[in-house]
Amino acid sequence: DGGITQSPKYLFRKEGQNVTLSCEQNLNHDAMYWYRQDPGQGLRLIYYSQIVNDFQKGDIAEGYSVSREKKESFPLTVTSAQKNPTAFYLCASRQQENTEAFFGQGTRLTVV
Amino acid sequence: DAKTTQPPSMDCAEGRAANLPCNHSTISGNEYVYWYRQIHSQGPQYIIHGLKNNETNEMASLIITEDRKSSTLILPHATLRDTAVYYCIVRAFETGTASKLTFGTGTRLQVTL
Repeated sequence: DGGITQSPKYLFRKEGQNVTLSCEQNLNHDAMYWYRQDPGQGLRLIYYSQIVNDFQKGDIAEGYSVSREKKESFPLTVTSAQKNPTAFYLCASRQQENTEAFFGQGTRLTVV
Repeated sequence: DAKTTQPPSMDCAEGRAANLPCNHSTISGNEYVYWYRQIHSQGPQYIIHGLKNNETNEMASLIITEDRKSSTLILPHATLRDTAVYYCIVRAFETGTASKLTFGTGTRLQVTL
């Protein structure tokens, strides 16, 4: 089945460690997005990518980094520079000519 | 992208129509209205979108005012499974670029027995 997959569902890390969240899609979508969601809050855009080897900062990019070496993959690294990394992270993809964005089921990151 | 305003929460009795409003008074002529919903601890799900005509699909109806400054998402027969946060988004439909796709805080709809 086509879809967008985030792994793992739950992730625990010690403070000061970098951690990479996986996002893979087999929908042949060009655009991919990373969002952060805190309890009771809406989604805030971290990074987005239009095509391979291209990405732009969203509204809260500080402390995060991404890569887009393959069309189907858009991994997000939460670095030690991110002050409050504990959150729910959502990845999405969208075909540029279509309007619907597909979301993964999210990764809940807890930093202790 | 134009800013949207939604009430933070609404209640609806099961079986009744749920009418969720969205204000987008600064919408531009080339901007569409999109609705998504997010059930607790899941990724958001696309519901419907429109430009200026009313739209209907198997999930919902979208009513856009003639001046396009506001819209209403209608769930005709709400069920408990419709309990979720509903997001109204306004953005331009464009090819060749990935627009930011910005979400606000949405409306938390609680469907009750």
